Order: sequence, then structure tokens, then C-alpha cells
Amino acid sequence: NAGVTQTPKFQVLKTGQSMTLQCAQDMNHNSMYWYRQDPGMGLRLIYYSASEGTTDKGEVPNGYNVSRLNKREFSLRLESAAPSQTSVYFCASKEDIGELFFGEGSRLTVL
Amino acid sequence: GNSVTQMEGPVTLSEEAFLTINCTYTATGYPSLFWYVQYPGEGLQLLLKATKADDKGSNKGFEATYRKETTSFHLEKGSVQVSDSAVYFCALSDRGGSYIPTFGRGTSLIVHP
Repeated sequence: NAGVTQTPKFQVLKTGQSMTLQCAQDMNHNSMYWYRQDPGMGLRLIYYSASEGTTDKGEVPNGYNVSRLNKREFSLRLESAAPSQTSVYFCASKEDIGELFFGEGSRLTVL
Repeated sequence: GNSVTQMEGPVTLSEEAFLTINCTYTATGYPSLFWYVQYPGEGLQLLLKATKADDKGSNKGFEATYRKETTSFHLEKGSVQVSDSAVYFCALSDRGGSYIPTFGRGTSLIVHP
């Protein structure tokens, strides 16, 4: 029962470096999401993909790009990391109006 | 647009106390409603859900009833345990065509022995 798998779980970057967070789901869900979680801010949607081949901006897309590689995989890229992007990132997936299934999170620190 | 409002925390209780976390929503369509729980250092996981008015979701002693007349989905538990300490999120998904679930800000629950 893998569900939603995110890698890496932890990462430390220097300002200006780039990295990609990987996400894969094995539940055949159409929709996938990237959120960030910061203390006192709840969950904020970065990007989402309603179905394979489509991506759309969420609430806080600046500084990020995404790729829906296929139905299973949805990656999040930071092209030039900034300290403001220090956060915990969650990938999630769902089908229609069903519940979201979340990964365990990726904890990113940008120095 | 859709929105979810839940009571701010932290909520601090003694073990075996009664818990209520309030959640109200606005939605343009006919949403499904959810409570998610996040334990320290983990991702969110579904606690319970309700898909139509008057449905009651329940799991692990927690309950919530979908009240369309008051647009509410309050979370309750009769006797909390230390292991219930976590952050609880109320959320909705709308049948109206939006693919974006809407979350409340989360309520931290701390249960003392």
C-alpha cells in the first residue's frame, strides 16, 4: 500500500540552487496537488493538475514550476531557491470529489 | 468562492474531556466535507467524511454531522486521549466543477494526562 510517495524527505539547499521534488501515486487518481505548510499558515496550494496533461497555478505559484510527467507522477521544481521557500511540502492526489491522499512530506531548508 | 472557517487553537484539554472543534463552510455547489488529522512530523490523513446533508461521519471515536441548514461540520469526541494530540483540518470538495479542495487553517489539539 504505497499510496503517495514523495522524495526526498529532507533537503538543505543554498540560496540560488535548484532542485526537484518528486511525487508518485499508485491509486490511478486523475488529480494531483502540491501544497506547502508553514507555521500558522495552514496549507497553501502551489500548483495542481486536474488530469494528465494539464497543470494550473494555485494560491502561491511564484518561484515554482511543475510537470505532470504521466498519470502517476507530478514533480515540483524550484529553479532558484530562496530562504522564503523553506517549508514542508506535501504532494496529494484524489479522484473527483473524494478525499485527498497525502504523502509524508518533504522538509526543505534554504540557507 | 468556497471557504472553510474553523476555530483557532490551540485547544488544550485534559484526558477524558469532551472535544468540540467548530467548522463552518461556504460553497457554491453541493460539497463533500472532510476532517483530516496531522500527527507531529507526519502528513495529513483522512479522519472522517460526509458526502451529503445529515450524513454523520465517524472514526476512532470522532464524529461530525453534515448540517446544511447551518453550513457546519463540527468535530466531536466524547473522551479524548493523549494520543489524540494533533492538528485537525476541516475541508470541502465541491461537486461544482472545481478540482481544488478548500481547507481551513487547522486547529491544534493538545491533550494533557
